Amino acid sequence: QKEVEQNSGPLSVPEGAIASLNCTYSDRVSQSFFWYRQYSGKSPELIMSIYSNGDKEDGRFTAQLNKASQYVSLLIRDSQPSDSATYLCALYSGNTGKLIFGQGTTLQVKP
Amino acid sequence: EPEVTQTPSHQVTQMGQEVILRCVPISNHLYFYWYRQILGQKVEFLVSFYNNEISEKSEIFDDQFSVERPDGSNFTLKIRSTKLEDSAMYFCASRGDVHGYTFGSGTRLTVV
Repeated sequence: QKEVEQNSGPLSVPEGAIASLNCTYSDRVSQSFFWYRQYSGKSPELIMSIYSNGDKEDGRFTAQLNKASQYVSLLIRDSQPSDSATYLCALYSGNTGKLIFGQGTTLQVKP
Repeated sequence: EPEVTQTPSHQVTQMGQEVILRCVPISNHLYFYWYRQILGQKVEFLVSFYNNEISEKSEIFDDQFSVERPDGSNFTLKIRSTKLEDSAMYFCASRGDVHGYTFGSGTRLTVV
């Protein structure tokens, strides 16, 4: 069974700080990884995708992938109260493009 | 920006009743999915649909569930005889290529 593991949190950071969210996965053949943000009662919203080892930056967000360690992370710089949400790690599985999600990490950014 | 549209946003039904959840995917997308999320739990894959047939389904997607694309634009999920444990948010998604996943806003199904 392919699994995606995240610490459910909550992770609490002060406004302006760096929030670091982590995710591990069990399937070594996985190639495509995604970070989604989900507000309570809403649908997942794509923040970042990453396919190669290393870092990928988009604005205040940086995704990091280490396939040898089967580890994906998301850094949010200059965290804002509006970043408070649940962050879902996901990967593509199989040939049909289905997504396997972790249980999500709840981030609280305190003013 | 193109959207995936889901209706209704909230459906309340009695146990044992049939429900149909509706989705309008993005028009040039080829791959369609249903996911569900029970309150407080992870988003779970239900079924994928491509070329007018199911391409993959999960263990959750038993004989009580069916999907259909009746008219080339709508994509529906039917639950034949709802159970209390079917209460969840149901998300439709469509995908045009490897990078093009779009989720709908979801239908909250409450079975009483």
